[in-house]
Amino acid sequence: EAGVAQSPRYKIIEKRQSVAFWCNPISGHATLYWYQQILGQGPKLLIQFQNNGVVDDSQLPKDRFSAERLKGVDSTLKIQPAKLEDSAVYLCASSRRQAQNEQFFGPGTRLTVL
Amino acid sequence: GENVEQHPSTLSVQEGDSAVIKCTYSDSASNYFPWYKQELGKGPQLIIDIRSNVGEKKDQRIAVTLNKTAKHFSLHITETQPEDSAVYFCASGEGNNRLAFGKGNQVVVIP
Repeated sequence: EAGVAQSPRYKIIEKRQSVAFWCNPISGHATLYWYQQILGQGPKLLIQFQNNGVVDDSQLPKDRFSAERLKGVDSTLKIQPAKLEDSAVYLCASSRRQAQNEQFFGPGTRLTVL
Repeated sequence: GENVEQHPSTLSVQEGDSAVIKCTYSDSASNYFPWYKQELGKGPQLIIDIRSNVGEKKDQRIAVTLNKTAKHFSLHITETQPEDSAVYFCASGEGNNRLAFGKGNQVVVIP
């Protein structure tokens, strides 16, 4: 089966600009996750969707980050405006059901904020 | 919230030797413990996981052991090969709550 797709793979922007990332999960996976992975650290969950509803967004900086999964399939994550500390790899993952089932990760989008 | 720590941060082993990475967690309610392997430029990939009702699980050259009393679990890789070189992340979770990941261990297998 096809894996989790993400685009773009790399993005360089200046601080205060906006950026959006796209994710297409594995077909049939109800749960979708967005993670932020800062260099040298493990992934940190930003938001979790179950179908098109938000399950957990407690660690999402809502003043600048937003995400949607309107039709319960693909998803977009937006940062507006970006800060230097947002430089990281943004990983999308999906699983058949919530949390304790295997999460399949995409290749990530490497964001550099100058 | 859950705090997950991994030791050592970097591990170098000779090809063919065994590698062991230990992970400690703080939340006694955690009951799911996966290990992920991340190669350069790729997303993490699940290699093995264990649930709290089991003490050990093995899959070919990889095994995970869990000590719930001491709140730690370990990844064991036997007969290491150069392709085992990567960053390994442990994580822990409870119920439908989010997974908390450690900072990762860099494993280097020296040919």
